[in-house]
Amino acid sequence: EAGVAQSPRYKIIEKRQSVAFWCNPISGHATLYWYQQILGQGPKLLIQFQNNGVVDDSQLPKDRFSAERLKGVDSTLKIQPAKLEDSAVYLCASSPRPVQGNYGYTFGSGTRLTVV
Amino acid sequence: QKEVEQDPGPLSVPEGAIVSLNCTYSNSAFQYFMWYRQYSRKGPELLMYTYSSGNKEDGRFTAQVDKSSKYISLFIRDSQPSDSATYLCAMRAGFGNEKLTFGTGTRLTIIP
Repeated sequence: EAGVAQSPRYKIIEKRQSVAFWCNPISGHATLYWYQQILGQGPKLLIQFQNNGVVDDSQLPKDRFSAERLKGVDSTLKIQPAKLEDSAVYLCASSPRPVQGNYGYTFGSGTRLTVV
Repeated sequence: QKEVEQDPGPLSVPEGAIVSLNCTYSNSAFQYFMWYRQYSRKGPELLMYTYSSGNKEDGRFTAQVDKSSKYISLFIRDSQPSDSATYLCAMRAGFGNEKLTFGTGTRLTIIP
């Protein structure tokens, strides 16, 4: 089974620039998540999609962050304009629905963003 | 107060030692408890999964959950250099609520 694919792996941008990250979940996984992991902290949920609908975006800074999941498969997370505090690893994860048994997300390797 | 607190901080132990990692939480709605392992520059991978209170063993790893104390633990026996990684506790509420709340992680180094 192929894992969760993310690109790019690394990105360095200047503050106030824009950036986009891409995620391809495991085939057949209906639920997709974007997490932000700041250095030395645990991941924090930014947004959760169920198919192509948003389930939870309560911690997404909507003035600068946006995300979409077209056709219920791939997803894109965008930051515009970026701030220094956005420097973090952005993790995409997916899970099947409904939740059953031994359950856990499958995470991608993440995109490491550095804002300078 | 954070919803999930994890300790210890960075930990270095000699090979073969028993390692104990712990998390406490404040949200009594949490029912599903997980431990993830994260190697450098990789995403977290699920290590252990427990529903409600009790113990679960998988090889050298044992996960314990005490819901009455809002406390979970991960024990690693006969630790190996390959166990060197960051360990994250994670938890979520009931069926239909997939949002995971993570601890801050413990960076573990096993010294050969």
